[in-house]
Amino acid sequence: DAEITQSPRHKITETGRQVTLACHQTWNHNNMFWYRQDLGHGLRLIHYSYGVQDTNKGEVSDGYSVSRSNTEDLPLTLESAASSQTSVYFCASSPRVGNEQFFGPGTRLTVL
Amino acid sequence: QKEVEQNSGPLSVPEGAIASLNCTYSDRGSQSFFWYRQYSGKSPELIMFIYSNGDKEDGRFTAQLNKASQYVSLLIRDSQPSDSATYLCAVNNYGGSQGNLIFGKGTKLSVKP
Repeated sequence: DAEITQSPRHKITETGRQVTLACHQTWNHNNMFWYRQDLGHGLRLIHYSYGVQDTNKGEVSDGYSVSRSNTEDLPLTLESAASSQTSVYFCASSPRVGNEQFFGPGTRLTVL
Repeated sequence: QKEVEQNSGPLSVPEGAIASLNCTYSDRGSQSFFWYRQYSGKSPELIMFIYSNGDKEDGRFTAQLNKASQYVSLLIRDSQPSDSATYLCAVNNYGGSQGNLIFGKGTKLSVKP
């Protein structure tokens, strides 16, 4: 069955380190998204991509970057992790712009 | 700033009752509306979508849309303890570039046995 996976599921890192969170989907969806979810803030969009080589900033993109070299993967990189980036990160994909999004299981990141 | 508003709750209903979850949105051009369920510690799961004014039923769930009032709701009939979760309303970002969907912060539902 097609699915969307994220790895690692849990990560503890130190301030200043570079961290990459992986997202892989087998639905062949062109559209992929990264969100963070924090208590009191709901889901906030970090970056998104509408296809290979396309990336766009979301509302909370500072300190994060993404690259899209194929349809299946959209890795999220924290260039220099900060304690404020401690959060749960969700990757999602969608078959068409404006349509439903399907979420991965999430990555819980702790920055000490 | 386009917004999707939900009462954070918690909304507490007894088992077997109807739970009514509400959502308002600011973008009059929005055309697609979604309800997600999120259990504690899990990812959001799509349970309903609606595009046209009126009601859409799927099992115990009914989504209601009123575009004139910019209002969408989710009714859960015969509520079960397993329905206890946070329900997220999402609306497409018509004409915008912020990744398609705008999410509300969610309403926490608690169904008491």
